[in-house]
Amino acid sequence: GAVVSQHPSRVICKSGTSVKIECRSLDFQATTMFWYRQFPKQSLMLMATSNEGSKATYEQGVEKDKFLINHASLTLSTLTVTSAHPEDSSFYICSALTDLTSYEQYFGPGTRLTVT
Amino acid sequence: AQSVAQPEDQVNVAEGNPLTVKCTYSVSGNPYLFWYVQYPNRGLQFLLKYITGDNLVKGSYGFEAEFNKSQTSFHLKKPSALVSDSALYFCAVRDWTGGFKTIFGAGTRLFVKA
Repeated sequence: GAVVSQHPSRVICKSGTSVKIECRSLDFQATTMFWYRQFPKQSLMLMATSNEGSKATYEQGVEKDKFLINHASLTLSTLTVTSAHPEDSSFYICSALTDLTSYEQYFGPGTRLTVT
Repeated sequence: AQSVAQPEDQVNVAEGNPLTVKCTYSVSGNPYLFWYVQYPNRGLQFLLKYITGDNLVKGSYGFEAEFNKSQTSFHLKKPSALVSDSALYFCAVRDWTGGFKTIFGAGTRLFVKA
């Protein structure tokens, strides 16, 4: 099946710094990628949807300037958490689609962000 | 609006016994339903989906799910549970309104005891 990778798998950063998380589709071209956030023992919350070459669409309540999403190519999307704070600590998961008619989303393994 | 409910936070079952993880949904139009499994500190893995056709859907690792339109349910089942099935299970519905979106249930933690 299709594989989605994320890097890094874990990151610890200091409050006030920025951290970038990469999401790659390894064996297919992803026209659309999604970024989710998951709090402990909770479900996935969709943060934003990104299409290659265009601006991301953010869900209500998600700060665009804080969570910068770039979908520069058909195989790479990045999420940058700017000026991170401890409350940004979470598990971030990306997901990819080959096209909007596809029934299946392929999920990355997730990135655990800890802000100290 | 589309929604998914998983009424049980946790399900406990003994190894070798059948298991059921419940899911009910609310959609406008035809439902596109999914089950995913998540192991600790990992992303979601696809188990199975219902788009159309037979109400009993077979998926990965011996899991199956039964689509029941009258009860708006899509319960996940397995005839004989394994300890390795212990994980977090999410039911999800595809929302096509206003663009592509997947709505996830709150998740059900499955514990299989040896």
